[in-house]
Amino acid sequence: DIQMTQSPSSLSASVGDRVTITCRASQSIGYYLNWYQQKPGKAPKLLIYAAASLQSGVPSRFSGSGSGTDFTLTISGLQPEDFVTYYCQQSYSIPRTFGQGTKVEIK
Amino acid sequence: EVQLVQSGAEVKKPGESLRISCKASGNSFSSYWIGWVRQMSGKGLEWIGIIWPGGSETKYSPSFEGQVTISADKSINTAYLQWRRLKASDTGIYYCARLDCSSASCHNDYGMDVWGQGTTVTVSS
Repeated sequence: DIQMTQSPSSLSASVGDRVTITCRASQSIGYYLNWYQQKPGKAPKLLIYAAASLQSGVPSRFSGSGSGTDFTLTISGLQPEDFVTYYCQQSYSIPRTFGQGTKVEIK
Repeated sequence: EVQLVQSGAEVKKPGESLRISCKASGNSFSSYWIGWVRQMSGKGLEWIGIIWPGGSETKYSPSFEGQVTISADKSINTAYLQWRRLKASDTGIYYCARLDCSSASCHNDYGMDVWGQGTTVTVSS
């Protein structure tokens, strides 16, 4: 299985801040990397697919980059509704695997 | 727009069987792969497996293969996740989701873009 390692596991930030979450794959996955946002008690929501493509309806303050083994999710200008948990996921091979999650908390 | 509606919460005893469902609205059910994801209480997301309802081809995570069965009935736009003998460790929230695959075989995909609301499964004696 491909292991996905996210960092940090949690971070504290303020409204308006720019934050970056990283995700590292245990082997090259090309650009088959997706980012999800999960609010408490809700299903995950796809934010970014294919490393850098913004899912329809997702605000442009979310962006993704990377290829191969190293990827980043950047939120430029945190909004109050962004203080939730984010997961990366590789969709390169079976089984698909998720990172352990990053919780973004209010400072 | 496609929506996935899952069956309601279940409370079961260890050793019992269970099948939960995921019903899709719209006409394109057989054209998309459907996946299942588990989330145990306070934990992260775990990928269970996927099915192509058009041909019932399935792919499982080794962690779940043999423990669950994924199936589908394309005539009623419904996918299923089934256990023959539940264990307490099966307790969690189970989500179904649609995959945006890059090919018919879904060797790669562009994410799970439509999700069900989740089904809570509690297994306790």
